[in-house]
Amino acid sequence: ETGVTQSPTHLIKTRGQQVTLRCSSQSGHNTVSWYQQALGQGPQFIFQYYREEENGRGNFPPRFSGLQFPNYSSELNVNALELDDSALYLCASTLGTGITDTQYFGPGTRLTVL
Amino acid sequence: AQSVTQLDSQVPVFEEAPVELRCNYSSSVSVYLFWYVQYPNQGLQLLLKYLSGSTLVKGINGFEAEFNKSQTSFHLRKPSVHISDTAEYFCAVSSSSGSARQLTFGSGTQLTVLP
Repeated sequence: ETGVTQSPTHLIKTRGQQVTLRCSSQSGHNTVSWYQQALGQGPQFIFQYYREEENGRGNFPPRFSGLQFPNYSSELNVNALELDDSALYLCASTLGTGITDTQYFGPGTRLTVL
Repeated sequence: AQSVTQLDSQVPVFEEAPVELRCNYSSSVSVYLFWYVQYPNQGLQLLLKYLSGSTLVKGINGFEAEFNKSQTSFHLRKPSVHISDTAEYFCAVSSSSGSARQLTFGSGTQLTVLP
Protein backbone atom coordinates (compact mmCIF):
# COMPACT_ATOMS: atom_id res chain seq x y z
CA GLU A 1 0.00 0.00 0.00
CA THR A 2 1.76 3.13 -1.27
CA GLY A 3 -0.88 5.73 -0.39
CA VAL A 4 -1.15 6.74 -4.06
CA THR A 5 -4.54 6.25 -5.70
CA GLN A 6 -5.68 6.54 -9.31
CA SER A 7 -9.06 6.76 -11.02
CA PRO A 8 -10.68 5.31 -12.92
CA THR A 9 -9.36 1.77 -12.84
CA HIS A 10 -10.34 1.03 -16.42
CA LEU A 11 -11.43 3.23 -19.30
CA ILE A 12 -12.50 2.61 -22.88
CA LYS A 13 -12.38 5.39 -25.45
CA THR A 14 -12.51 5.64 -29.23
CA ARG A 15 -9.88 7.09 -31.51
CA GLY A 16 -9.92 10.90 -31.64
CA GLN A 17 -11.54 11.35 -28.23
CA GLN A 18 -10.00 13.07 -25.22
CA VAL A 19 -9.39 11.49 -21.80
CA THR A 20 -8.53 12.69 -18.30
CA LEU A 21 -6.88 10.39 -15.77
CA ARG A 22 -6.58 11.29 -12.10
CA CYS A 23 -4.04 10.63 -9.38
CA SER A 24 -3.97 11.39 -5.68
CA SER A 25 -0.48 11.54 -4.21
CA GLN A 26 0.73 10.88 -0.72
CA SER A 27 0.18 13.85 1.55
CA GLY A 28 3.22 16.12 1.55
CA HIS A 29 4.59 14.80 -1.74
CA ASN A 30 5.24 17.82 -3.97
CA THR A 31 6.28 15.87 -7.04
CA VAL A 32 4.22 13.63 -9.31
CA SER A 33 5.45 11.73 -12.34
CA TRP A 34 3.37 9.99 -14.99
CA TYR A 35 4.41 6.87 -16.90
CA GLN A 36 2.92 4.95 -19.79
CA GLN A 37 3.28 1.16 -19.71
CA ALA A 38 2.37 -0.56 -22.97
CA LEU A 39 1.54 -4.26 -22.84
CA GLY A 40 4.66 -6.34 -22.27
CA GLN A 41 6.89 -3.30 -21.80
CA GLY A 42 8.43 -1.38 -18.95
CA PRO A 43 6.98 1.99 -17.96
CA GLN A 44 8.06 5.01 -20.01
CA PHE A 45 8.36 8.48 -18.50
CA ILE A 46 5.80 10.98 -19.80
CA PHE A 47 6.40 14.04 -17.59
CA GLN A 48 6.87 15.27 -14.07
CA TYR A 49 5.20 18.08 -12.13
CA TYR A 50 6.72 19.84 -9.15
CA ARG A 51 4.70 22.39 -7.19
CA GLU A 52 2.17 22.69 -10.03
CA GLU A 53 4.73 23.35 -12.77
CA GLU A 54 5.94 20.90 -15.42
CA ASN A 55 9.44 19.96 -14.41
CA GLY A 56 10.56 17.74 -17.28
CA ARG A 57 9.14 15.68 -20.13
CA GLY A 58 9.97 12.46 -21.87
CA ASN A 59 9.56 11.71 -25.55
CA PHE A 60 5.79 12.29 -25.73
CA PRO A 61 3.92 14.75 -27.99
CA PRO A 62 2.16 17.89 -26.69
CA ARG A 63 -1.26 16.20 -26.85
CA PHE A 64 -0.18 14.63 -23.56
CA SER A 65 -0.58 17.32 -20.91
CA GLY A 66 -0.98 17.51 -17.19
CA LEU A 67 -2.07 19.50 -14.19
CA GLN A 68 -1.07 19.36 -10.55
CA PHE A 69 -3.18 20.87 -7.78
CA PRO A 70 -2.27 22.18 -4.31
CA ASN A 71 -4.17 19.33 -2.63
CA TYR A 72 -1.62 16.72 -3.95
CA SER A 73 -3.92 15.57 -6.74
CA SER A 74 -3.01 15.64 -10.42
CA GLU A 75 -4.36 14.90 -13.88
CA LEU A 76 -3.06 13.48 -17.11
CA ASN A 77 -4.92 14.65 -20.20
CA VAL A 78 -4.56 13.05 -23.60
CA ASN A 79 -6.15 14.67 -26.65
CA ALA A 80 -6.85 13.14 -30.05
CA LEU A 81 -6.46 9.59 -28.81
CA GLU A 82 -4.67 7.10 -31.04
CA LEU A 83 -4.80 3.31 -30.95
CA ASP A 84 -1.20 3.22 -29.68
CA ASP A 85 -2.24 5.17 -26.60
CA SER A 86 -3.77 1.97 -25.24
CA ALA A 87 -1.71 1.22 -22.14
CA LEU A 88 -1.55 1.20 -18.37
CA TYR A 89 -0.95 4.73 -17.08
CA LEU A 90 0.88 4.99 -13.79
CA CYS A 91 1.43 7.97 -11.57
CA ALA A 92 4.17 8.09 -8.96
CA SER A 93 4.57 10.57 -6.14
CA THR A 94 7.80 11.70 -4.54
CA LEU A 95 8.64 13.90 -1.61
CA GLY A 96 11.03 16.02 -3.70
CA THR A 97 12.88 16.06 -6.99
CA GLY A 98 16.12 14.53 -5.81
CA ILE A 99 17.68 11.88 -8.01
CA THR A 100 17.59 9.39 -5.16
CA ASP A 101 14.04 10.08 -3.97
CA THR A 102 11.86 7.00 -3.95
CA GLN A 103 8.90 7.10 -6.30
CA TYR A 104 5.70 5.56 -4.92
CA PHE A 105 3.44 4.21 -7.64
CA GLY A 106 -0.33 4.01 -7.81
CA PRO A 107 -2.16 0.95 -9.16
CA GLY A 108 -2.63 2.53 -12.58
CA THR A 109 -5.45 3.23 -15.02
CA ARG A 110 -5.90 0.79 -17.91
CA LEU A 111 -6.85 2.79 -21.02
CA THR A 112 -8.16 1.00 -24.10
CA VAL A 113 -8.54 2.98 -27.32
CA LEU A 114 -10.79 1.39 -29.97
CA ALA B 1 21.51 8.89 -22.00
CA GLN B 2 20.99 5.93 -19.74
CA SER B 3 19.47 2.57 -20.58
CA VAL B 4 18.62 -0.70 -18.87
CA THR B 5 18.65 -4.20 -20.34
CA GLN B 6 16.95 -7.09 -18.64
CA LEU B 7 18.49 -10.16 -20.18
CA ASP B 8 15.65 -12.62 -19.57
CA SER B 9 12.04 -11.90 -20.46
CA GLN B 10 10.77 -15.00 -18.65
CA VAL B 11 12.26 -17.05 -15.81
CA PRO B 12 10.45 -20.18 -14.63
CA VAL B 13 11.72 -21.71 -11.40
CA PHE B 14 10.49 -24.33 -8.95
CA GLU B 15 9.35 -23.37 -5.48
CA GLU B 16 12.17 -23.20 -2.89
CA ALA B 17 14.83 -23.00 -5.60
CA PRO B 18 17.18 -20.00 -5.87
CA VAL B 19 16.67 -17.42 -8.59
CA GLU B 20 18.69 -14.67 -10.25
CA LEU B 21 17.15 -11.99 -12.47
CA ARG B 22 19.75 -10.24 -14.57
CA CYS B 23 20.00 -6.51 -15.25
CA ASN B 24 22.66 -4.53 -17.10
CA TYR B 25 22.75 -0.77 -17.44
CA SER B 26 24.61 1.83 -19.42
CA SER B 27 25.36 5.27 -18.10
CA SER B 28 27.93 7.99 -18.52
CA VAL B 29 27.42 9.37 -15.02
CA SER B 30 26.89 8.09 -11.50
CA VAL B 31 23.99 5.70 -11.33
CA TYR B 32 21.26 4.99 -8.89
CA LEU B 33 19.61 1.63 -9.46
CA PHE B 34 16.27 0.19 -8.43
CA TRP B 35 14.30 -3.03 -8.61
CA TYR B 36 10.50 -2.86 -8.66
CA VAL B 37 7.95 -5.68 -8.59
CA GLN B 38 4.55 -5.59 -10.27
CA TYR B 39 1.89 -8.12 -9.29
CA PRO B 40 -0.98 -8.76 -11.72
CA ASN B 41 -3.28 -5.76 -12.12
CA GLN B 42 -1.29 -3.68 -9.66
CA GLY B 43 1.19 -0.81 -9.74
CA LEU B 44 4.89 -1.05 -9.02
CA GLN B 45 6.32 -1.70 -5.58
CA LEU B 46 9.92 -0.89 -4.66
CA LEU B 47 11.94 -3.98 -3.74
CA LEU B 48 15.31 -2.34 -3.16
CA LYS B 49 17.60 0.42 -4.34
CA TYR B 50 21.31 1.13 -4.66
CA LEU B 51 22.38 4.71 -4.05
CA SER B 52 25.94 4.40 -2.74
CA GLY B 53 28.06 2.49 -0.24
CA SER B 54 27.89 -1.28 0.11
CA THR B 55 27.44 -2.99 -3.22
CA LEU B 56 25.20 -5.68 -1.70
CA VAL B 57 21.74 -4.30 -1.13
CA LYS B 58 19.04 -6.10 0.82
CA GLY B 59 15.39 -5.46 0.12
CA ILE B 60 11.96 -6.65 1.09
CA ASN B 61 10.61 -10.19 0.85
CA GLY B 62 14.10 -11.73 1.12
CA PHE B 63 15.45 -10.26 -2.12
CA GLU B 64 18.93 -8.83 -2.51
CA ALA B 65 20.93 -7.33 -5.37
CA GLU B 66 24.58 -6.72 -6.05
CA PHE B 67 25.90 -3.64 -7.80
CA ASN B 68 28.89 -4.45 -10.02
CA LYS B 69 30.37 -1.31 -11.52
CA SER B 70 32.96 -3.07 -13.69
CA GLN B 71 30.32 -5.28 -15.30
CA THR B 72 27.63 -2.55 -15.21
CA SER B 73 25.22 -5.02 -13.67
CA PHE B 74 22.67 -5.03 -10.88
CA HIS B 75 21.36 -8.60 -10.65
CA LEU B 76 18.51 -9.50 -8.31
CA ARG B 77 18.68 -12.70 -6.27
CA LYS B 78 16.63 -14.71 -3.82
CA PRO B 79 17.93 -17.92 -2.22
CA SER B 80 14.53 -19.63 -2.00
CA VAL B 81 11.44 -18.51 -3.88
CA HIS B 82 7.78 -18.94 -3.02
CA ILE B 83 4.69 -19.22 -5.18
CA SER B 84 3.77 -15.70 -4.06
CA ASP B 85 6.92 -14.31 -5.73
CA THR B 86 5.32 -14.88 -9.14
CA ALA B 87 5.23 -11.41 -10.68
CA GLU B 88 6.89 -9.08 -13.19
CA TYR B 89 10.18 -7.57 -12.05
CA PHE B 90 11.59 -4.34 -13.41
CA CYS B 91 15.09 -2.97 -13.12
CA ALA B 92 15.39 0.82 -13.37
CA VAL B 93 18.01 3.54 -13.35
CA SER B 94 17.45 7.09 -12.15
CA SER B 95 18.20 9.66 -14.82
CA SER B 96 17.35 13.24 -15.64
CA SER B 97 15.03 14.91 -18.12
CA GLY B 98 15.60 18.61 -17.78
CA SER B 99 15.37 19.24 -14.08
CA ALA B 100 13.12 16.23 -13.56
CA ARG B 101 14.43 13.02 -12.11
CA GLN B 102 12.88 10.12 -13.98
CA LEU B 103 13.17 6.38 -13.84
CA THR B 104 14.28 4.57 -16.98
CA PHE B 105 13.01 1.01 -16.87
CA GLY B 106 14.02 -2.23 -18.50
CA SER B 107 11.42 -4.26 -20.35
CA GLY B 108 10.80 -6.54 -17.38
CA THR B 109 11.30 -10.17 -16.39
CA GLN B 110 8.32 -12.39 -15.69
CA LEU B 111 9.20 -14.68 -12.79
CA THR B 112 6.96 -17.73 -12.57
CA VAL B 113 7.36 -19.96 -9.53
CA LEU B 114 6.17 -23.50 -10.16
CA PRO B 115 4.90 -25.88 -7.44
